[in-house]
Order: sequence, then structure tokens, then C-alpha cells
Amino acid sequence: GQNIDQPTEMTATEGAIVQINCTYQTSGFNGLFWYQQHAGEAPTFLSYNVLDGLEEKGRFSSFLSRSKGYSYLLLKELQMKDSASYLCAVRMEYGNKLVFGAGTILRVKS
Amino acid sequence: DVKVTQSSRYLVKRTGEKVFLECVQDMDHENMFWYRQDPGLGLRLIYFSYDVKMKEKGDIPEGYSVSREKKERFSLILESASTNQTSMYLCVTGRSYNEQFFGPGTRLTVL
Repeated sequence: GQNIDQPTEMTATEGAIVQINCTYQTSGFNGLFWYQQHAGEAPTFLSYNVLDGLEEKGRFSSFLSRSKGYSYLLLKELQMKDSASYLCAVRMEYGNKLVFGAGTILRVKS
Repeated sequence: DVKVTQSSRYLVKRTGEKVFLECVQDMDHENMFWYRQDPGLGLRLIYFSYDVKMKEKGDIPEGYSVSREKKERFSLILESASTNQTSMYLCVTGRSYNEQFFGPGTRLTVL
């Protein structure tokens, strides 16, 4: 079976840095995705890692260690609009389908 | 920019009706997927397709079928809608080696 774990909820303060972790145990691997989802809306693409290391994109960075089955999403200079659910997903080699974690609800407080 | 559209944002149907949900993408992506998202259950894969006329079952295909007659279009069909199919339906498209994108979603209510 496939297993992707993320914390259920996190709270952080506006202006701070927060790290959302994701661990995975899957039968295949062809990349790891992070998506942001606001309530009532579809997920939007944030980042994609297929090789080990850090990918930086403005206030958002994502890290991958394939040997450890581990990724994190780092959000800097938090803003209120960053309050959302963050989804970690592993793409499988067969069919390129995405397997999702349950998502982490991030609450940003002032 | 990738454009992925879904035929309806909100849909209300009655039990037993046949329901068609359509997803269209304009980026020549070979891979297309249908997921449903429910509170507490996350995103679950219903069906996917990696080429025209190709389709494969995902994790929860029961009660659904799909059609992919053209590369840009992937349809999800609820043969006889039931109340437990009330959900948010999300289409995803992409290539094998890079980003995968969501459509805006269809919130289906079956009465």
C-alpha cells in the first residue's frame, strides 16, 4: 500500500517561518508535489521535486530526500493569505498518478 | 499558461440520473485524471488515462466510467447517480516529467 503522512494542523504567526513535513512510503516514485488549497477551491501547484535537494521559489521552498522518504515545504514571511490546506503528493511511476497525503491545515494568526 | 477547464462549477442532480462531467485541457498533455475529494478522506483517484482511448481504474472506480475520445478531453460518467457520490470532483492533467495541474473542480450534489 501507499502511505503519505503529514501533520493535520499547524498554527504560525504572521511574518514567521513555518515548515510542513511530509514522509512517504510508496511502491514507486516519480516526483513529489506540493499544492496549496484554499477552502472551497481547487488545489494550486506550488512545487515539484524529483531530485534530492532544495527548490526555491520566492517565499516558498521545498526539500526532498529520496533515501529518507522525506520532504518539507518551507514558507517564509508568512502572510494571512497563506492560511490554507497544504497537500503533499507522490507521483507514481506507473500511470504517473498522484497519491495524496491527507493535507495540513495551516492557520496564520496576527 | 496551462488551461484546464471543467464543464460545471456546481451541479445538482437527482438519484438515478446519468451525470456527465467533462474536463478539457489545452496543453497537449497525455495524462489526465479524475479525483474526488471528501472531508476527512482526502483526494482519491477514480480513473485515469495516459492516451486517447486508454483508461485505467484508480482506487475507487465503482459507479463511474470514463471516456477519452480526444486527447484534450476526459469525461467522467456517473451511470446512475447516488447520494454517496455527492462530492467535489477534480480533474488533473500533466506530462510524465513535470508539473501536474488541477481544473477548478465541480461540486456535485446528488439529491
